Amino acid sequence: AQSVAQPEDQVNVAEGNPLTVKCTYSVSGNPYLFWYVQYPNRGLQFLLKYITGDNLVKGSYGFEAEFNKSQTSFHLKKPSALVSDSALYFCAVREYPPERKGRRALTFGSGTRLQVQP
Amino acid sequence: DTEVTQTPKHLVMGMTNKKSLKCEQHMGHRAMYWYKQKAKKPPELMFVYSYEKLSINESVPSRFSPECPNSSLLNLHLHALQPEDSALYLCASSQDTMAGGSTGELFFGEGSRLTVL
Repeated sequence: AQSVAQPEDQVNVAEGNPLTVKCTYSVSGNPYLFWYVQYPNRGLQFLLKYITGDNLVKGSYGFEAEFNKSQTSFHLKKPSALVSDSALYFCAVREYPPERKGRRALTFGSGTRLQVQP
Repeated sequence: DTEVTQTPKHLVMGMTNKKSLKCEQHMGHRAMYWYKQKAKKPPELMFVYSYEKLSINESVPSRFSPECPNSSLLNLHLHALQPEDSALYLCASSQDTMAGGSTGELFFGEGSRLTVL
């Protein structure tokens, strides 16, 4: 079974400081990992993904994430936070090959609210 | 701007009403999804359609009835809902199944916010 954990309900950071939003995963096969961001009353926007290759993945809006297989983690990072980065962030996983035939959907973490103070 | 369009953006209905949520994508994606999201919670998978056929039903009550008329359209028919069904309903699409080489990222619409009175 595939699962993902986001241990922090909320992360607070001052504008201009680096930010990290944590994510750990569990899969039977290989992980495909994703980060999404959700602004209030909006849908989810895709930020970045790890499929294979370099462990450091760069995405939209200056975000990046580091895949660490030994720690089964995929933490989201940004060198310098902006107030406009304040939103709800979801980590998601999809295992390959899928454990169940036809099981192709993502499993989402519980979400982390990022609050960037001016 | 999202390429997955959902209508209506807001819907208020009584428990005896019949209504539908609609979703449309023109990215040529062959998999489409319905998710339900409660406030400050992650999206919960409801249904998956692959090549216009229902491939996953996550034990959703029969008062929710999905329909995929063609590869671009996905509907969710609502009947006899309960107040606890009030939520944001998200539609998403993805390129293909993994067998087709897709890595599976989903593209979401803005959602339809449903309130059941």
